[in-house]
Amino acid sequence: GAGVSQSPSNKVTEKGKDVELRCDPISGHTALYWYRQSLGQGLEFLIYFQGNSAPDKSGLPSDRFSAERTGGSVSTLTIQRTQQEDSAVYLCASSLGRGRNTEAFFGQGTRLTVV
Amino acid sequence: AQSVAQPEDQVNVAEGNPLTVKCTYSVSGNPYLFWYVQYPNRGLQFLLKYITGDNLVKGSYGFEAEFNKSQTSFHLKKPSALVSDSALYFCAVRVYNNNDMRFGAGTRLTVKP
Repeated sequence: GAGVSQSPSNKVTEKGKDVELRCDPISGHTALYWYRQSLGQGLEFLIYFQGNSAPDKSGLPSDRFSAERTGGSVSTLTIQRTQQEDSAVYLCASSLGRGRNTEAFFGQGTRLTVV
Repeated sequence: AQSVAQPEDQVNVAEGNPLTVKCTYSVSGNPYLFWYVQYPNRGLQFLLKYITGDNLVKGSYGFEAEFNKSQTSFHLKKPSALVSDSALYFCAVRVYNNNDMRFGAGTRLTVKP
């Protein structure tokens, strides 16, 4: 696609339920990132995928959070047993990552609200 | 691991005045540096990047940034601020040959008429 696509754009869920957030990166981009942004705050790094390498999961806040990237393309971020503190905007970005073409392009985000 | 610091949570300037948003970084290796802007209820938009070459890089909307290796800084500047520049600005860093990108906490720029 022309840009990074995230779905859903908004998600309201009840505390304790599981949610899945989807990211469809720009075609051909080998690097994919997930970040979390709480209201008016900075970007919290969650996880980073690079090609077929093992992902860098160092930013995941708890074992309730997991992510996968299938076929080197689409990624899914899963949050199990959601808590109210999980409420935030979840941003996905992708990057070509070679030579001078290193900037990351962001999706519009998924706004997650846990009630 | 690399990291970025944006020492100012908030920057206020009057329209028409020059603006500076500060960023310092810490990396092991050669840095690639980036600035992004986030307007209200919008995603992050790429503004400019430093890869190599001239220390002064120019980007979108009249913004520029100066890479200073000795001070490990990459401050964002604009000669004459517009009210429409009011937004949240993020500095980011990654290392050559490594796609792991880390962002600063962001600086909220407010330009008053």
